[in-house]
Amino acid sequence: NAGVTQTPKFQVLKTGQSMTLQCAQDMNHNSMYWYRQDPGMGLRLIYYSASEGTTDKGEVPNGYNVSRLNKREFSLRLESAAPSQTSVYFCASSERGSGGTYEQYFGPGTRLTVT
Amino acid sequence: EDKVVQSPLSLVVHEGDTVTLNCSYEVTNFRSLLWYKQEKKAPTFLFMLTSSGIEKKSGRLSSILDKKELFSILNITATQTGDSAVYLCAVFGNQFYFGTGTSLTVIP
Repeated sequence: NAGVTQTPKFQVLKTGQSMTLQCAQDMNHNSMYWYRQDPGMGLRLIYYSASEGTTDKGEVPNGYNVSRLNKREFSLRLESAAPSQTSVYFCASSERGSGGTYEQYFGPGTRLTVT
Repeated sequence: EDKVVQSPLSLVVHEGDTVTLNCSYEVTNFRSLLWYKQEKKAPTFLFMLTSSGIEKKSGRLSSILDKKELFSILNITATQTGDSAVYLCAVFGNQFYFGTGTSLTVIP
């Protein structure tokens, strides 16, 4: 099992350019998440998808859109990149259990720089 | 506003020391609290706690949750240089909330 995979690993964009970050998991999990991690800010939830066909905003959704393409894949799109979106982006998945969720499994991350 | 606060922000200890990391939270509709270890890459899962007073253990690491006082601690005994990492606390309520982490450095 590959677990959670993300592409690309690194990306440099110019302000105003668009791009899509791809995420896939092979653990048959229902829930998937996108986070960004900035120095001193910890991990902040951008969007999540509790199950196929549903998406919800997290703590910092502005400037992003998501698509839950199927149960395996959850993509994050930046329509018009801004320098404030320079960050490390992590995708994660989990399976919802009774009374809460099981642990999240994280992908390796995408380091995005917007100039 | 939902929040998770970790302390201390950073810690430097010598090998063999015991450390205690703290996590306090105010999260609506609390369901679980999770601890992760992050070493310059993706976070890896350590523990999930849902009930007060039940200690979770894995080798030299242990954790306990107090749902009345809204905090958790992560203990690491007999620290080793391989324990050097950022330790993240996350709380799942209506969504996941992460603290900013505690950076632990273990000196030989």
